[in-house]
Amino acid sequence: QSVLTQAPSASGTPGQRVTISCSGSSSNIGNNYLYWYQQLPGSAPKLLIYRNNQRPSGVPDRFSGSKSGTSASLAISGLRSEDEADYYCAAWDDSLSAVVFGGGTELTVL
Amino acid sequence: QVQLVQSGAEVKEPGASVKVSCKASGYTFSAHYVNWVRQAPGQGLEWMGWINPNNGATNYAQTFQGRVTLTRDTSMSTAYMELSSLTSDDTAVYFCARRWRQLGPDAFDIWGQGTEVTVSS
Repeated sequence: QSVLTQAPSASGTPGQRVTISCSGSSSNIGNNYLYWYQQLPGSAPKLLIYRNNQRPSGVPDRFSGSKSGTSASLAISGLRSEDEADYYCAAWDDSLSAVVFGGGTELTVL
Repeated sequence: QVQLVQSGAEVKEPGASVKVSCKASGYTFSAHYVNWVRQAPGQGLEWMGWINPNNGATNYAQTFQGRVTLTRDTSMSTAYMELSSLTSDDTAVYFCARRWRQLGPDAFDIWGQGTEVTVSS
């Protein structure tokens, strides 16, 4: 059971906009930065969003992050087949003194 | 280029220990914390802890306290993760990841390729 809650799966068609949600508590998302990672099949995770809504250099602006209270969202617009991957949210948890991850959302591009 | 290269796959018997290495190149090794994250087959990511290569300070997740030891060799720009008293539940891919503080206190911007550890009798 992950500390951060994500839906296990999401899907969309090419060109569509999809949103992946991440829910936590005041000890993690509510009081700390939220990060998003993309993990393509068979690969290491890749940092997609940092400090709630910032994109590292090289990440397309089709990806955007937001945070409100104890929840966060990752939006992907103009969905492409290469976006098919697992997406994880992560944050520091003050109570656990640990980085905690969501269980991951498997995105399928139909 | 900036990269982390990990050691190869390991097969261990229950009760044994495993030590995984993570060699950094392309940046100043001592300037960035190295974190360790594992992923059991078909499961999500689990943070294990970090080491500050500059002074060797460590921080471990409570789940692994007493079983994991993070060390580093600055002369080799290499970080190590040793996990003891292995059980089948420790079968996973183990990743090292660089923390880039400028992006946030928990932003892991460079990842190793992963090391598969299988615990089996």
